[in-house]
Amino acid sequence: AQSVTQPDIHITVSEGASLELRCNYSYGATPYLFWYVQSPGQGLQLLLKYFSGDTLVQGIKGFEAEFKRSQSSFNLRKPSVHWSDAAEYFCAVGAARYGGSQGNLIFGKGTKLSVKP
Amino acid sequence: EAGVTQSPTHLIKTRGQQATLRCSPISGHTSVYWYQQALGLGLQFLLWYDEGEERNRGNFPPRFSGRQFPNYSSELNVNALELEDSALYLCASSLGGNQPQHFGDGTRLSIL
Repeated sequence: AQSVTQPDIHITVSEGASLELRCNYSYGATPYLFWYVQSPGQGLQLLLKYFSGDTLVQGIKGFEAEFKRSQSSFNLRKPSVHWSDAAEYFCAVGAARYGGSQGNLIFGKGTKLSVKP
Repeated sequence: EAGVTQSPTHLIKTRGQQATLRCSPISGHTSVYWYQQALGLGLQFLLWYDEGEERNRGNFPPRFSGRQFPNYSSELNVNALELEDSALYLCASSLGGNQPQHFGDGTRLSIL
């Protein structure tokens, strides 16, 4: 069964420090992978996506993620964190069945990011 | 371009009542998805509608149902409300398949 694991429930970093949020997936074929961010009381905003091709993908707000098939990982990175990045981050994989998409996303449990001044 | 809009923002009901949540997708998107985000349970898939048809549903009882209208907007209906139905209900839309899903800000459903 497809699944997504985000090992870190809560991470605190200092403003200006670099950030890496971990994501591991379980999937039988080339996955469709996404990172979303959710601020309190709001919906999810798409940061970036990986479908195929270049394994390093750039997203909005200065985020990037690297797809590593050998490690079944899709970690999110940012070189310098801003206080406004404090939020909850979700990794997701597009669910699939033989012959096509099941339509839904399978989400990890999320990583809450706190930023120290 | 307007994003996904959901109404109402908040909804308060009592046990046994029925709730109706509404979603308008991004213009041009034909697929609408519903997710439940309950405390401690994460984001769980409820329903997927595409071109007016239900294409897939998650592991929820039949009292969770919905429909998609000809203009691609959607309703989620929850009958016989239970306390554990208290959650943020998120709607998303996409061009279909594995295209990125874009989310609304959700409806906060509280069951008293």
